[in-house]
Amino acid sequence: SQTIHQWPATLVQPVGSPLSLECTVEGTSNPNLYWYRQAAGRGLQLLFYSVGIGQISSEVPQNLSASRPQDRQFILSSKKLLLSDSGFYLCAWSGQTKEQFFGPGTRLTVL
Amino acid sequence: EDKVVQSPLSLVVHEGDTVTLNCSYEVTNFRSLLWYKQEKKAPTFLFMLTSSGIEKKSGRLSSILDKKELFSILNITATQTGDSAVYLCALDRGGSNYKLTFGKGTLLTVNP
Repeated sequence: SQTIHQWPATLVQPVGSPLSLECTVEGTSNPNLYWYRQAAGRGLQLLFYSVGIGQISSEVPQNLSASRPQDRQFILSSKKLLLSDSGFYLCAWSGQTKEQFFGPGTRLTVL
Repeated sequence: EDKVVQSPLSLVVHEGDTVTLNCSYEVTNFRSLLWYKQEKKAPTFLFMLTSSGIEKKSGRLSSILDKKELFSILNITATQTGDSAVYLCALDRGGSNYKLTFGKGTLLTVNP
């Protein structure tokens, strides 16, 4: 069966520091991969999606970037965090059946 | 921008009550509408609706899509405290990337 992992689960970082969040999927090949951010009281905002290795599409202009160095690995990064980057970051994957399955998320607090 | 609006934003009921959650949208051409349940962390998939008027059912939960009136509802009968969660509605516009546009969710609290 397929599983999706995210780490770390929680992270507290100072403003201006770099960020690297990792997401890996097991049990499937060539998945579509997604990064979402969920701010308090808000719905999920799609940040990036990827349909293959090295293929990244950005949905909103922001302080973040994404990379997909391997088929089942998706990384969310920032060179310098802003206060507004705080939130709950969710990685998701989808396959042939189209519905998206979410990882456990990373709670990021920027101080 | 695609708009997905959920109502109510929050709802408090007692165990045993029946609730109806609403999701309306402005897009007429889309592939599917999805419902998710989010408790503490990751949203978990509930239903995918593609055809109008066909009810999907899973235990005490059911959902239906009305493509003419541009809305979907999620019903929960005989609610339990374990149903307390944020319920998210999302629209899949189609294409090869399967991007979803989410509503802000309905926070359901079921009190004993």
